Amino acid sequence: KNQVEQSPQSLIILEGKNCTLQCNYTVSPFSNLRWYKQDTGRGPVSLTIMTFSENTKSNGRYTATLDADTKQSSLHITASQLSDSASYICVVSASPEGNAGKSTFGDGTTLTVKP
Amino acid sequence: DVKVTQSSRYLVKRTGEKVFLECVQDMDHENMFWYRQDPGLGLRLIYFSYDVKMKEKGDIPEGYSVSREKKERFSLILESASTNQTSMYLCASQPIGYQPQHFGDGTRLSIL
Repeated sequence: KNQVEQSPQSLIILEGKNCTLQCNYTVSPFSNLRWYKQDTGRGPVSLTIMTFSENTKSNGRYTATLDADTKQSSLHITASQLSDSASYICVVSASPEGNAGKSTFGDGTTLTVKP
Repeated sequence: DVKVTQSSRYLVKRTGEKVFLECVQDMDHENMFWYRQDPGLGLRLIYFSYDVKMKEKGDIPEGYSVSREKKERFSLILESASTNQTSMYLCASQPIGYQPQHFGDGTRLSIL
């Protein structure tokens, strides 16, 4: 069964600090991995998308890494801001995007940034 | 910017009612999705559509149906609402290819 596990479940950090969120998956065959940010009361918004051949993808202060051999990804947030407080969701797709329904969602990591 | 609009942010209905949730996207995307999101369970796929009048079941289709008569509009129907369908419902659209999904802001549905 395809699974995506995220850790930690929740995290509290001080403003200005860095943090790293983890995503382990057992989805096969692998097509791509995405990280989304979901603010409270809003829909998820895409941060990064990586295919098999990509190891790193950055979007401003967000940097995602992918190790397809160990089936692990991380999302690193640099110099955190209060607006980074949100849920971060890892999504792994098991087939080319022409077959739209083959995505497995993690349960998310809830990040709280305190002043 | 892609815009995915869900017709209601909050909705309260009674058990046994037929409930319609509407979703419209403005970017001519081929794929559209309906998810529900519950605490501790993440997003779960109810149905998706990859073309007009085409639909496929997701992981939890029981008690739901969908309609896609036009490319930009994807409707979720609760045939006979039950209390266990109280949830946050999220619609998303996506073009073909290695592209992210674009989500609406969700409809928080309460079934009393």
